[in-house]
Amino acid sequence: EPEVTQTPSHQVTQMGQEVILRCVPISNHLYFYWYRQILGQKVEFLVSFYNNEISEKSEIFDDQFSVERPDGSNFTLKIRSTKLEDSAMYFCASNLGLAGAISTDTQYFGPGTRLTVL
Amino acid sequence: DQQVKQNSPSLSVQEGRISILNCDYTNSMFDYFLWYKKYPAEGPTFLISISSIKDKNEDGRFTVFLNKSAKHLSLHIVPSQPGDSAVYFCAASGMNRDDKIIFGKGTRLHILP
Repeated sequence: EPEVTQTPSHQVTQMGQEVILRCVPISNHLYFYWYRQILGQKVEFLVSFYNNEISEKSEIFDDQFSVERPDGSNFTLKIRSTKLEDSAMYFCASNLGLAGAISTDTQYFGPGTRLTVL
Repeated sequence: DQQVKQNSPSLSVQEGRISILNCDYTNSMFDYFLWYKKYPAEGPTFLISISSIKDKNEDGRFTVFLNKSAKHLSLHIVPSQPGDSAVYFCAASGMNRDDKIIFGKGTRLHILP
């Protein structure tokens, strides 16, 4: 069964460093997302991406964050200068975006990357 | 800003009995409601969904009920099995293809032997 994959599973970085989190969405999906979950809190939306541009972003997704689809398979989240509060699980998700089939077109999540900022 | 609320952080149910997980929402613009299940060290896994035009959707042991007037939905699992022990997230979104999902904080379900 196709699945969303994410690398690395765990990333440790020093405050102020840049990190790139990588995701490979399901191959025929067209819509891509990043969410994060700070320990003990709920899963929060960061950004959605379609047709090589951001569709929507949350207040969390400030100028330190960027997303890119550098090729036909990868979808990346870059944090330019990490802060302690960026420590969280980051989940990538994707969905197909079928016309007229919204009710069955749910988002599928990857296993997550645990980012630890020291 | 809790648009989706799961007021029970945890729930323990005997194996074989019914598990009922509850969820409330505040935004009447939500069109689509979902339940995700999450095991430790894994991402959320889609379980079942319901659109706002329905009041019930069933898939095997899982049934989701929606009460729009009360802005309340529930997930019933019957019979409960040990593998059902996980965190369950209630979530909601609009009906557009790229609508973000708004998650509740989750309820940890323990199935007791």
